[in-house]
Amino acid sequence: EAGVTQFPSHSVIEKGQTVTLRCDPISGHDNLYWYRRVMGKEIKFLLHFVKESKQDESGMPNNRFLAERTGGTYSTLKVQPAELEDSGVYFCASSATSSTGELFFGEGSRLTVL
Amino acid sequence: GQNIDQPTEMTATEGAIVQINCTYQTSGFNGLFWYQQHAGEAPTFLSYNVLDGLEEKGRFSSFLSRSKGYSYLLLKELQMKDSASYLCAVFSSGGSYIPTFGRGTSLIVHP
Repeated sequence: EAGVTQFPSHSVIEKGQTVTLRCDPISGHDNLYWYRRVMGKEIKFLLHFVKESKQDESGMPNNRFLAERTGGTYSTLKVQPAELEDSGVYFCASSATSSTGELFFGEGSRLTVL
Repeated sequence: GQNIDQPTEMTATEGAIVQINCTYQTSGFNGLFWYQQHAGEAPTFLSYNVLDGLEEKGRFSSFLSRSKGYSYLLLKELQMKDSASYLCAVFSSGGSYIPTFGRGTSLIVHP
């Protein structure tokens, strides 16, 4: 079974540019989560999809961040325009159930904004 | 809100036992996870405790005390490959089920 895959693994962009990160969850997993880890800090929750619906987006830092999950399969996280403080590792995770059970994480997309 | 506390860094010797503590404050507690993360890799699931007590799984064990808001991860017969970050995450049921992570404990195992 393929795990959670994320693309790109590393992206270097300049302030003001746009970046789109992609996550392919494990097939059949309705729940998809985006997290971000800024260097030296904890992994922080961004948002949670159940199928194509945003269940909770309370962790999204501001309106420069836009997440979508069309058709309830893969998800994208767009940052536009990127700022220096957006640098970090963006993790995607999926799970079959939301109330119990483990999350399966991707290896993360490292974003560096110069 | 939620507050999760764990030591930033620990060191231990190969073959020894190490205990990594995690304390938490949360409403609507619905379980506690431990994840292992090697540098540059995805966090991987180690354990999930929802009831009080000790869960043993090979060299790794996890303990939970809900009344004390306390958990620990016990690693026995340490190996060099156990050097990694260990993340404590709490599952609360307030609103949607969102695991909240602590900062992680960086464990360094030396010969």
